[in-house]
Amino acid sequence: KNQVEQSPQSLIILEGKNCTLQCNYTVSPFSNLRWYKQDTGRGPVSLTIMTFSENTKSNGRYTATLDADTKQSSLHITASQLSDSASYICVVSGRNTGNQFYFGTGTSLTVIP
Amino acid sequence: DAGITQSPRHKVTETGTPVTLRCHQTENHRYMYWYRQDPGHGLRLIHYSYGVKDTDKGEVSDGYSVSRSKTEDFLLTLESATSSQTSVYFCAISDGAGGRYFAGELFFGEGSRLTVL
Repeated sequence: KNQVEQSPQSLIILEGKNCTLQCNYTVSPFSNLRWYKQDTGRGPVSLTIMTFSENTKSNGRYTATLDADTKQSSLHITASQLSDSASYICVVSGRNTGNQFYFGTGTSLTVIP
Repeated sequence: DAGITQSPRHKVTETGTPVTLRCHQTENHRYMYWYRQDPGHGLRLIHYSYGVKDTDKGEVSDGYSVSRSKTEDFLLTLESATSSQTSVYFCAISDGAGGRYFAGELFFGEGSRLTVL
């Protein structure tokens, strides 16, 4: 069964600190993995997209890594800001089902002053 | 930002009444999706469309129907709303670039919060 699991479920960090969110998936054959940020009461917004040939992709203070062999991805946030408080969602697509998306349940990040 | 508008953004209704949510896009994208988001669950696909009048069911389609008579509009209808359909509904669009091997960018609307009493 194609699944996406994220950890931790929730995380609280101090402003200015770094953090790493994890995503494990079983989607096979794998095509691409996306990270989305969802602010409270808003729709998800894309942060990064990585295909199976990419290991790292950055978007400002956000860096995503992908290990297609172990089926793991991480999202690293550097020098966190209060505005980083949000839910972060991992989304995976399969190679034979390009327009079908598998969603993790998200990691809720709270950045405190 | 992708041009996606959902309406209404908030709705409170009673059990047994029909409800229609509308998703309007200005991007001319081929694929449109309806998802629901509930605590403890990832976004779950209700129905999707791959062209005008071409739709298919998702994993949680029971109790929902959809229609797409124009490229820009995708309607989600709850024929007889139940309390279990209280949720936040998201419309998403994709241009389908890359065909079956790679979906294009997936853009989401701002959501429609539905409460069924």
